[in-house]
Amino acid sequence: GAGVSQSPRYKVAKRGQDVALRCDPISGHVSLFWYQQALGQGPEFLTYFQNEAQLDKSGLPSDRFFAERPEGSVSTLKIQRTQQEDSAVYLCASSLPGSNYGYTFGSGTRLTVV
Amino acid sequence: GDSVTQMEGPVTLSEEACLTINCTYTATGYPSLFWYVQYPGEGLQLLLKATKADDKGSNKGFEATYRKETTSFHLEKGSVQVSDSAVYFCALSAFEGGATNKLIFGTGTLLAVQP
Repeated sequence: GAGVSQSPRYKVAKRGQDVALRCDPISGHVSLFWYQQALGQGPEFLTYFQNEAQLDKSGLPSDRFFAERPEGSVSTLKIQRTQQEDSAVYLCASSLPGSNYGYTFGSGTRLTVV
Repeated sequence: GDSVTQMEGPVTLSEEACLTINCTYTATGYPSLFWYVQYPGEGLQLLLKATKADDKGSNKGFEATYRKETTSFHLEKGSVQVSDSAVYFCALSAFEGGATNKLIFGTGTLLAVQP
């Protein structure tokens, strides 16, 4: 597609509920990143995929967070047993390999846990 | 670890005023440096980048120079417009053995331009 597409745009979850956030990267972009952006803060790295391989998950805050990209294209970020502190905007970005290119970000999913 | 520090906002300017948003970084290697912009209700957009010392990135009248000696990448514009009102993020990307080139962001600076 023309850009990185994320869905849903907004998600309200009750505390303890599981949620799944979807990211459709730009076609041909092998690198895919997930970031978490708390209100008034800069995005923070969660995890990185190169094709289907999850090469770095050092930013995932707890074992309740899980990401997958089984066919090297669409990725899903799953949060189990959501807590209030999980409320944030979750951003997906994709790029060609190499830091020189910069990344294309999606518009994000705003998760609110009540 | 690697980090980015940028000036706190909000920065409020009148139209046609000069803009400088300071950004300094700490990195063990030789990072690439970026400025991203986030307009209200929209996602992050790459504004400009520089990949090595003394490079100048520029776009839409904005520019920033990669200064290794002062570890800085300040964003400048000579004459701002109301449409430049947004949150600006400084970021760096450092290769870690080629495995991850994740971005490390500053906290963002809100720019409000008044007519």
